[in-house]
Amino acid sequence: SQELEQSPQSLIVQEGKNLTINCTSSKTLYGLYWYKQKYGEGLIFLMMLQKGGEEKSHEKITAKLDEKKQQSSLHITASQPSHAGIYLCGADIYSGNTPLVFGKGTRLSVIA
Amino acid sequence: SQTIHQWPATLVQPVGSPLSLECTVEGTSNPNLYWYRQAAGRGLQLLFYSVGIGQISSEVPQNLSASRPQDRQFILSSKKLLLSDSGFYLCAWSTGSAQYFGPGTRLTVL
Repeated sequence: SQELEQSPQSLIVQEGKNLTINCTSSKTLYGLYWYKQKYGEGLIFLMMLQKGGEEKSHEKITAKLDEKKQQSSLHITASQPSHAGIYLCGADIYSGNTPLVFGKGTRLSVIA
Repeated sequence: SQTIHQWPATLVQPVGSPLSLECTVEGTSNPNLYWYRQAAGRGLQLLFYSVGIGQISSEVPQNLSASRPQDRQFILSSKKLLLSDSGFYLCAWSTGSAQYFGPGTRLTVL
């Protein structure tokens, strides 16, 4: 079974619209990490969340961690073509020096 | 600042040929190193990770192997490639929590 579920799998939004991507864990989250990937490239680290209720923002991207629900959301305000790509969440679910587990990603397309 | 390099960027190999992908990290010491494979629609699959020189943990039994001959060098190898080995291979490093990824190597096995 998948330990980290992302939804939706893909998303097409019109430029200027807001959107939300969710990441839900089947286990306790000790840390949640958001990445962005453009096709054929490596993953770019966006943000790290470690405390319940924590919220971080970078430009027009905001991520929140709901520890009780073992869930994180990534919200993009006023989307732009530059936001297009694949967004992946990674999680530390073993609380130690262990690799992160990753969701399958959400493919975002922004159309003019 | 830290940087991570992967070589080569793309590779086309025939079935049954050997493989060697290299990953090097600069600007940090004693990092944890990781090899992932990303196949279309399947997300990131952890293949190997290493917490130190000569220490390799294998996550998925297959015809691939990894080695860490130096602190900041991680090598992914195969003696005989299969068609199913095609994919996008990503190396990553960490020294604490977040993992940082290299640019990737796209491998096509024909």
